[in-house]
Amino acid sequence: GAGVSQSPSNKVTEKGKDVELRCDPISGHTALYWYRQSLGQGLEFLIYFQGNSAPDKSGLPSDRFSAERTGGSVSTLTIQRTQQEDSAVYLCASSSGTSGWGELFFGEGSRLTVL
Amino acid sequence: AQSVTQPDIHITVSEGASLELRCNYSYGATPYLFWYVQSPGQGLQLLLKYFSGDTLVQGIKGFEAEFKRSQSSFNLRKPSVHWSDAAEYFCAVRTMDTGRRALTFGSGTRLQVQP
Repeated sequence: GAGVSQSPSNKVTEKGKDVELRCDPISGHTALYWYRQSLGQGLEFLIYFQGNSAPDKSGLPSDRFSAERTGGSVSTLTIQRTQQEDSAVYLCASSSGTSGWGELFFGEGSRLTVL
Repeated sequence: AQSVTQPDIHITVSEGASLELRCNYSYGATPYLFWYVQSPGQGLQLLLKYFSGDTLVQGIKGFEAEFKRSQSSFNLRKPSVHWSDAAEYFCAVRTMDTGRRALTFGSGTRLQVQP
């Protein structure tokens, strides 16, 4: 597609359930990022994928969070045993270039609400 | 680790007035600097970026920013604000000499424009 696509746009879940958030980056972009934006907060880096390299997972807040990127394209962020503090907007971005220094293009985000 | 500070959480200006949004970064070497805008219900859009060279950079929508190494600042400016500029603005930094390729974002400044 023309831009970064994320689904679902909104997700309401109960505490303790698992959720999966999907990101479809711009075609040909080798770098993919996940960020979390909590109410009134800036963007918190979660994880970064660059081509076939090992992902930079340094921003994942706990082992309940994981992400994968299949075939160098679509990525799924999984949150296990969700907690109320996981409620946030999860943003995906992609960029071109082997070094990942290019401009980041963001999706509109997936808003997660944990009851 | 690099950090970004946006000291103004919320700014209100009158339409047609000038605007300056402050951004300070903490990092010892030359950073890559960015300003993004997030309009309600939309993804983040890049306004402008500084990599090297001329310290005054022009962006889209009439915005400009000036990199001042001595002050570790990268303030965003616009000579005359339009009502459509009401949004949240994020400053971000990426460094050249670390393995981290992700952007570090400030906490954002929300701009309100009065008629």
